[in-house]
Amino acid sequence: GIQVEQSPPDLILQEGANSTLRCNFSDSVNNLQWFHQNPWGQLINLFYIPSGTKQNGRLSATTVATERYSLLYISSSQTTDSGVYFCAVKTSYDKVIFGPGTSLSVIP
Amino acid sequence: DADVTQTPRNRITKTGKRIMLECSQTKGHDRMYWYRQDPGLGLQLIYYSFDVKDINKGEISDGYSVSRQAQAKFSLSLESAIPNQTALYFCATSDSPGQGGTGELFFGEGSRLTVL
Repeated sequence: GIQVEQSPPDLILQEGANSTLRCNFSDSVNNLQWFHQNPWGQLINLFYIPSGTKQNGRLSATTVATERYSLLYISSSQTTDSGVYFCAVKTSYDKVIFGPGTSLSVIP
Repeated sequence: DADVTQTPRNRITKTGKRIMLECSQTKGHDRMYWYRQDPGLGLQLIYYSFDVKDINKGEISDGYSVSRQAQAKFSLSLESAIPNQTALYFCATSDSPGQGGTGELFFGEGSRLTVL
């Protein structure tokens, strides 16, 4: 089955720094989503991005489906950005596979 | 109000008890899902339903059952809870890609279950 990898597994940033999170997948996918799980456990939709680039405030994402990866950019990080970032892909069989996540800690 | 509502949000129970987690949605989506998240890990699919008459097992369905009472309601039951079912449980919904939708997943706020 399809494999989804995320890197780095852990990241510590000083407030105000920028970061790039990566999601690699081993086969073609129908769609891709990025989620943020905050320290209280809530899963928040960040982007639905099967291809192309989208931006929402300090966050942006790019998916290059032909090369099987997606990037999540966080600029001017804030302590409220802390948590775990998951990518999730949907295969042609309508199955959603989650990556293992990147744990981000933003320190003041 | 949240589009996907889960009850209860927190529950502590004892081994052998029957537990039901409920999920309701106001998004009008046909598809509903139950996921489990163990501490420090990703999400695993327990059951999913593409419409009221369609129920399917996911990766980790053993020890769980579900009921799709209506398009908007999908409940998860643990018939006889055991300690290794202690986890965070999420309900999710999506529209149908084959009917002009995107299949984008939307999650409830989670139900934290502890089995002693």
